[in-house]
Amino acid sequence: DTAVSQTPKYLVTQMGNDKSIKCEQNLGHDTMYWYKQDSKKFLKIMFSYNNKELIINETVPNRFSPKSPDKAHLNLHINSLELGDSAVYFCASSQVESSPLHFGNGTRLTVT
Amino acid sequence: AQSVAQPEDQVNVAEGNPLTVKCTYSVSGNPYLFWYVQYPNRGLQFLLKYITGDNLVKGSYGFEAEFNKSQTSFHLKKPSALVSDSALYFCAVRDSENTPLVFGKGTRLSVIA
Repeated sequence: DTAVSQTPKYLVTQMGNDKSIKCEQNLGHDTMYWYKQDSKKFLKIMFSYNNKELIINETVPNRFSPKSPDKAHLNLHINSLELGDSAVYFCASSQVESSPLHFGNGTRLTVT
Repeated sequence: AQSVAQPEDQVNVAEGNPLTVKCTYSVSGNPYLFWYVQYPNRGLQFLLKYITGDNLVKGSYGFEAEFNKSQTSFHLKKPSALVSDSALYFCAVRDSENTPLVFGKGTRLSVIA
């Protein structure tokens, strides 16, 4: 059973389009996250949700909007995609702040 | 704000030799420290963590790490490297609840047969 699953795995789209990435965890964790990994493999937190409430919102353009319909799901919607949005986006979850994060396998977004 | 430094972009080691991947950190309070490994086209996998207690932490796949408060370091070690250990390794730190887990830039480990 996959603990943290993301769809799609690959996403190729044109500038200006709107796209969504879905994430689901079956671990019963209270907190979910979105991280962005750039071409140099640098990982940066974008959002953190705890029990469907936004906890952390780093300096991310407001074109990015997370949505958490329940504590097992955290989706990422991106409006007006730009070339610089090309990256791998990782969803993760954890039970409490001191516990390890469990990562999905990532969504590779390519904006052309 | 917390930060993590991994001073080496690449570490090369011969199979069977000991390996060390370096990490130093900066936090305002007590650190929660983690090591993760990333294989190609995969998400990060948890290796080990330090919260409190013994300074030497043992983790998955024979890895261990030593917390050194005076040097603010948390180096990852393994006594005998395997070719299958070749991957990208990330050190990460957070210092309190509701602060994000901050990752280092990663160190690529290459174990040569």
